[in-house]
Amino acid sequence: ETGVTQTPRHLVMGMTNKKSLKCEQHLGHNAMYWYKQSAKKPLELMFVYNFKEQTENNSVPSRFSPECPNSSHLFLHLHTLQPEDSALYLCASSRSQDEGTEAFFGQGTRLTVV
Amino acid sequence: RKEVEQDPGPFNVPEGATVAFNCTYSNSASQSFFWYRQDCRKEPKLLMSVYSSGNEDGRFTAQLNRASQYISLLIRDSKLSDSATYLCVVISFSGGYQKVTFGTGTKLQVIP
Repeated sequence: ETGVTQTPRHLVMGMTNKKSLKCEQHLGHNAMYWYKQSAKKPLELMFVYNFKEQTENNSVPSRFSPECPNSSHLFLHLHTLQPEDSALYLCASSRSQDEGTEAFFGQGTRLTVV
Repeated sequence: RKEVEQDPGPFNVPEGATVAFNCTYSNSASQSFFWYRQDCRKEPKLLMSVYSSGNEDGRFTAQLNRASQYISLLIRDSKLSDSATYLCVVISFSGGYQKVTFGTGTKLQVIP
């Protein structure tokens, strides 16, 4: 059973919709991450939060907007997405971003943009 | 040169075989190394950490070779359930924060 929970597991949205992905971790970690995994591509880091502060934005388009209200919760707000944004979006957490410790992943949200 | 490189495979091996994967990394200052397993359409799951002294967990052995800048994963007595993609993860530090780099993964298919 994973300590990182993502909802929804599947999402289909139109290009004009606004939706949000949610991630919650119960591991007492202080760093949280959003990754994108497209078919046949490696994991792409999108955003990193460390102790609720955004420390990394990996040149992600502004139609993706992260929010981290506390160390346990992470959101990814989506609006006016494109079909090429269809992918598996994975949330992960680790103890903190200044330790080289392992990350634990949520089960992901499989997003389809139509 | 890619920061982290893996042979994408697929490696097709019979049940009971021993199989090994390598993963090379370009940053000699990298500090932490992990192997993750990812089943089709599922999230990556931590398989094992890789220590300088090597790490063994049952049928799985991970090793680090800093001189040649690669890590390896050895799977003995392969089971059908070992079929998955194995991701190599390398952590380095930049500007006081860690940088996590995933390899593209090596696909393993264990056949009966």
